[in-house]
Parts: sequence; C-alpha cells; structure tokens
Amino acid sequence: GENVEQHPSTLSVQEGDSAVIKCTYSDSASNYFPWYKQELGKGPQLIIDIRSNVGEKKDQRIAVTLNKTAKHFSLHITETQPEDSAVYFCAAPLSSGSARQLTFGSGTQLTVLP
Amino acid sequence: DTAVSQTPKYLVTQMGNDKSIKCEQNLGHDTMYWYKQDSKKFLKIMFSYNNKELIINETVPNRFSPKSPDKAHLNLHINSLELGDSAVYFCASSQVGWQMNTEAFFGQGTRLTVV
Repeated sequence: GENVEQHPSTLSVQEGDSAVIKCTYSDSASNYFPWYKQELGKGPQLIIDIRSNVGEKKDQRIAVTLNKTAKHFSLHITETQPEDSAVYFCAAPLSSGSARQLTFGSGTQLTVLP
Repeated sequence: DTAVSQTPKYLVTQMGNDKSIKCEQNLGHDTMYWYKQDSKKFLKIMFSYNNKELIINETVPNRFSPKSPDKAHLNLHINSLELGDSAVYFCASSQVGWQMNTEAFFGQGTRLTVV
C-alpha cells in the first residue's frame, strides 16, 4: 500500500550543528508535504510545508527540500538549539479510496545536546 | 483560545468498558479527523469526517465509531475496550479535507489506558 518512510528514527546533534531528516513517499500524485514537530505531552504542530510546484522552502533556521522525481523530501534545521529537541514527523496525502488521507512517517526523535 | 480541544486529557478504564472522547474545533474548518498514536509514536489516521461523509481506515475495529453532532465537534466512541486500545488519541481539523493539502491542526491528545 501507499506509505511514507522516514529516517533516521533517532538523531543526536551538538547545539549549533545542523540536523537533516529524510522522507520518501510512494504516491506520485501527492502534492503537499508538511513537517510537524511534537513536543512531549503535546499534539503535533506544523513547522513548515512545501507544495509540489517548488523545490525548496526556507523559514529562518528551518528548510525543506523536495525532489518529486525521486519522491523524497527532507527537513533541514541549522544552528540547532536545545528547544529544537522533539519528535519530528513528515507527512504526505496518500490515496485512500476516493479521498486522500494525511499519512505520517514513523517519526524522528531529535535530541540537541548543549 | 484553543483551536482544537479534546477532553479528557487522561482516561483510565477497565477492559470491556465503553468510553467516549470529545473534540471541538473553533477554527471553522470543514473536516475533522481522529488519529491514534501508539507507544512507538507512530501516528495512524482512524477517521476523516467532512460534511457528514465519513471515511474509515479499513484497519480500525468497528468498536470505534465517530459521532459528529455538528461541524465543530467530532467525538470518538469506543465500545468493549481492549488492552490494545491503550494509546494517545489525537483529534485534528483542516480547512480542506479530502485532498489534504492544507495544514491540519491537532488537539493536545487524550492518553487512554485500559487496565
């Protein structure tokens, strides 16, 4: 079936270093790729998203790149800070019958070491 | 004001019981969802509900049923609770539903523990 694969499952970086999380998806018709951050005890919150008509989008220290041909997209966090520590999820709308449902990757636990 | 709110935040109950989780959104969104997050943090969609049209994930047991009294509310009813139902359940909403190409806003989650 349609799915979204996310790597790595855990990532530890030193404060100030960069972090990269990668996802691949199976449905070539997907056109929207959000990234969510989930802090402990809270619900996921959108941090950045990209649509299929662009290859890269940046918002301060966070950027997302998309390669539609290869069907993969990545989250880049530069100058990491301890408050960036959280679980990060990629997602894509995958076919489910007549509709699309937002399907999440398995998550990446990011730990930023001070 | 909280955009998507769920109650209760914690729910502990015995096997075999029937329980409900309530969800309300004040964003004026057309579509609401229920997600289940297991102990490994995996988020899986259970239901999508838009204008009284329900899409059910085929893996969801029929003991789970969503109830929507109006566009702003989508409650989750669970009958005959089992140990494996223990998880965190998230309600979410979005403006445009079926194409899922707009931001989904999540509630803070309900941690259900079945003993």
